[in-house]
Amino acid sequence: EDQVTQSPEALRLQEGESSSLNCSYTVSGLRGLFWYRQDPGKGPEFLFTLYSAGEEKEKERLKATLTKKESFLHITAPKPEDSATYLCAVPDANSGYALNFGKGTSLLVTP
Amino acid sequence: DGGITQSPKYLFRKEGQNVTLSCEQNLNHDAMYWYRQDPGQGLRLIYYSQIVNDFQKGDIAEGYSVSREKKESFPLTVTSAQKNPTAFYLCASSIDPRGMEAFFGQGTRLTVV
Repeated sequence: EDQVTQSPEALRLQEGESSSLNCSYTVSGLRGLFWYRQDPGKGPEFLFTLYSAGEEKEKERLKATLTKKESFLHITAPKPEDSATYLCAVPDANSGYALNFGKGTSLLVTP
Repeated sequence: DGGITQSPKYLFRKEGQNVTLSCEQNLNHDAMYWYRQDPGQGLRLIYYSQIVNDFQKGDIAEGYSVSREKKESFPLTVTSAQKNPTAFYLCASSIDPRGMEAFFGQGTRLTVV
């Protein structure tokens, strides 16, 4: 059973066109929700951790929010260098709390 | 600089051959993990270790083996029993195995030739 579902699978934006990526999860007793950025051929880079509903974190043009069932990664006025795959993950109690990842959203920002 | 080092970056394996991927961290993290990434599949957990001399199977452990003899090292062996080993392998570590953020190495791309 999938614990983490991300949508859309792919998103193409014009530079400056704001949008949001979605991550829905189905775990009980959430021990945090994690967002990562991954560039092609590289390891994921940690962005944010959210622990409770209503929490928000910001970094440059990115803002992550959390509700009881989903998280959003809002991208404001994106630039081409924001192009990457964005991954979200939750700890899996059945695997010693190793992170269980969604399949990611591939974002392309065109000039 | 603290971090996680994976080597080699690229690895080629012949059919029937065992190969070992290296993962070293100098972050003093207790927990270490191996993931496999295939196109369209996301990251899948192979093995994890919460403490030295202890490790557990993840979702796709068949055909792989690991050891954790030192806190800073968690090598992964891809054995000949792994029928489809071509993939991108990622090692990660976390200061606390009970649900803290994990930090990743730069990955090893393994190709069967």
